Order: sequence, then C-alpha cells, then structure tokens
Amino acid sequence: SQKIEQNSEALNIQEGKTATLTCNYTNYSPAYLQWYRQDPGRGPVFLLLIRENEKEKRKERLKVTFDTTLKQSLFHITASQPADSATYLCALDVGRLNTDKLIFGTGTRLQVFP
Amino acid sequence: DTGVSQDPRHKITKRGQNVTFRCDPISEHNRLYWYRQTLGQGPEFLTYFQNEAQLEKSRLLSDRFSAERPKGSFSTLEIQRTEQGDSAMYLCASSPKGGEQFFGPGTRLTVL
Repeated sequence: SQKIEQNSEALNIQEGKTATLTCNYTNYSPAYLQWYRQDPGRGPVFLLLIRENEKEKRKERLKVTFDTTLKQSLFHITASQPADSATYLCALDVGRLNTDKLIFGTGTRLQVFP
Repeated sequence: DTGVSQDPRHKITKRGQNVTFRCDPISEHNRLYWYRQTLGQGPEFLTYFQNEAQLEKSRLLSDRFSAERPKGSFSTLEIQRTEQGDSAMYLCASSPKGGEQFFGPGTRLTVL
C-alpha cells in the first residue's frame, strides 16, 4: 500500500539547535516533494519544494534533502527559534497530467524551547 | 489581503442538513484544490479544478459531496445530508501552475 510516514511523536528541541524532521514514503514515484508549515487552526504555508533530480535545497535557515533511492526526505531547521514551533507537513506530488495532486503526511509537531 | 479566502470560517450544523462552503482563490490562479483535514492528520485531497473544469476527484469523495467552479474564479463545496464523520477542516488552495499551493484559512465544520 502507499504510505507517507513522518515522525508521529512531537520533536522537542532547545533554541539554537538544529531540528531534523523525517519523511519516508513507500510505493510512490513523486515528481517532487514539498514541505509546509501549519500553525494551529490555520492553513498550511509553503516552505520548500525539491524535485526528484535534486539532492538538496536551501532557503535561509531551512534545508531539505531528497533521496529517491531511500524514498526519504529530511527537513532541517538550523539555529531554531521558539517561533519555529509548529507542525511541519511533507507532501508528495502524485498527480496525473501535472495536476499537482498532493498527498500529505500526518505531520510532525516541533516545539522549540527557549 | 490578496490571499485565498474561505467562507464561513466555522459552521455548526445538525446531521442530515446540507452545507455549502465558498473559496475565493488568489486572482489569476487557474488551479484550485479542495482538501479535508481531521485532527492529527495531514490534509486529504478531495478534488481539483483547472479553470472551470473539474479534472480530478478523490475516490474517497462520496456522492454527497459536490464542488463547482462555474466561472473559473471562486469555487463552492457542498455536502448534502451531512454525517458526523464529515466533521473536519475543509481547506481550499490555489496555484498559478505546478508546484507551490497557497492555502486558505479553512472552514471548520462541526456536525452535531
């Protein structure tokens, strides 16, 4: 069966440390993978997109890696801040005819303590 | 604010009633998506429009659910004969082309 797995447990880290979140998938061949941030009661907000032929993407304190052999993406937040506390969702593009149909993981809740 | 807007933000209804939600995408975004999200889960794809054409619909979507985008701008999602299992956050997103999707704040539905 097709599955997308993210750390189900909340991730608690201290301010200033690097947070690493994992997204594993099975039985998909996505053209690209996206990461979103979601705060309670709000819609997801796009963070980064990485294509299947890219190994790594960076944006400010964020870094994403994508290993299509391992079927895994890692999402890093360096120098984390309490304002980074949120749920982070990975999403795979599994659409036909470029519909950009996204399949989301369950998300990982990150808590950054001062 | 030129982001995606959804109306209403909250809806409480009794089982068996019909409800309709509206989504106004970012102008000039020709792609529009509906998702449903329950507590502790990620958004679940429901349906997709390119302009006014509904190009994909989830097999999970029962025939009580219908969506329209009559002029290729705003969209409506209707749920007929609501059931308690329909209680969820209904999210709308839009996109100008492939890739990043811009989400609205969602409509939280509670079916009593």
